[in-house]
Amino acid sequence: KAGVTQTPRYLIKTRGQQVTLSCSPISGHRSVSWYQQTPGQGLQFLFEYFSETQRNKGNFPGRFSGRQFSNSRSEMNVSTLELGDSALYLCASSLDGQVSNEQFFGPGTRLTVL
Amino acid sequence: AQSVTQPDIHITVSEGASLELRCNYSYGATPYLFWYVQSPGQGLQLLLKYFSGDTLVQGIKGFEAEFKRSQSSFNLRKPSVHWSDAAEYFCAVGASRNYGGSQGNLIFGKGTKLSVKP
Repeated sequence: KAGVTQTPRYLIKTRGQQVTLSCSPISGHRSVSWYQQTPGQGLQFLFEYFSETQRNKGNFPGRFSGRQFSNSRSEMNVSTLELGDSALYLCASSLDGQVSNEQFFGPGTRLTVL
Repeated sequence: AQSVTQPDIHITVSEGASLELRCNYSYGATPYLFWYVQSPGQGLQLLLKYFSGDTLVQGIKGFEAEFKRSQSSFNLRKPSVHWSDAAEYFCAVGASRNYGGSQGNLIFGKGTKLSVKP
């Protein structure tokens, strides 16, 4: 079974631009979560989608948004990029998003904002 | 507030030596606890998890962890470290979105970077 895939793997943008990251979950998984990883703040939860609905959201500004499609693939968007948005963005999928179920992580997208 | 603390930012051990990585959590209910490992340039891989029952849990790659409710700890151990264990290790608690509910997200510690000396 294929794992979680994320595209692109690396991205360089400039301040003020917007960016869209993509995540394809493991087949059969309906929950997709996004995390931001930075050296200073560590791993922080962004949001979770289940059946095309945002079900849970972390403490991030409205510039961070996402969506999920009917095939469970998910995208996250960051508008008006800031230098502090430089991070590794990790996507994780699970069967149904229950905390007791394992989340499988993708390799991440490394975003650099110049 | 729910939180996870990993007191050691960086640990160096010799190959073949034993390892213990510390993790303390703050959570109002019985926690779901996890240990993940991240190799450079990779995503996170689950090593083991604890939900209930036996407080000593076995994971992959020879790792084990012990849940101690009285100390709010979930320390990761390995009796003999291999050079391939060099990576960053994250402890996490599964936090319910609604208290007692089943849906939620992971709250991670800041991680412990493990270096292995030959």
